[in-house]
Amino acid sequence: AQTVTQSQPEMSVQEAETVTLSCTYDTSESNYYLFWYKQPPSRQMILVIRQEAYKQQNATENRFSVNFQKAAKSFSLKISDSQLGDTAMYFCAFKGVGGSRLTFGEGTQLTVNP
Amino acid sequence: DGGITQSPKYLFRKEGQNVTLSCEQNLNHDAMYWYRQDPGQGLRLIYYSQIVNDFQKGDIAEGYSVSREKKESFPLTVTSAQKNPTAFYLCASTYGGPGYTFGSGTRLTVV
Repeated sequence: AQTVTQSQPEMSVQEAETVTLSCTYDTSESNYYLFWYKQPPSRQMILVIRQEAYKQQNATENRFSVNFQKAAKSFSLKISDSQLGDTAMYFCAFKGVGGSRLTFGEGTQLTVNP
Repeated sequence: DGGITQSPKYLFRKEGQNVTLSCEQNLNHDAMYWYRQDPGQGLRLIYYSQIVNDFQKGDIAEGYSVSREKKESFPLTVTSAQKNPTAFYLCASTYGGPGYTFGSGTRLTVV
């Protein structure tokens, strides 16, 4: 069974600064997807970024980028130029390519301060 | 617009009552999921269904039941056997690839 661990329950950052959220996972599969989801106070789940394990290049979406270290089973999210609207709970998640279920970490509550 | 509709948004349950949470999708997705969210525990999988008339238990299925009689619908019943049902419940669906769509959730409170 896959497990996903987020060891930072809460983080805070000043507006316009950069912050990195950590995620580690455990799996015996070689092909899989990793995700970062954002859940703002509205509680709607929003996909931030997705990484395919077979791709060596780290995924990037505007101010959001990941550092994917497959051998270390690490998948961190970097948010550059933090904005007040980035305040949310962030979840790391795993899905095997041949599997159906999405496995989530415990979440990191990020607060961006003005 | 295509999406997932969860209802109601808020639900109150008395001790010993069964309640049913609705999840409907018009995305033509085959697979549907129910997650429970508690503070500090992330989202935990309750049940999932990959095809009509078939479903599997997730990690915390005890005290819950589901049905999948139609592709569009995957209702979750919280039974009286669930001792601590107060939580936020999220429904999701996927076509089978890496893209998931989530509903807006139902907040269940035991009174």
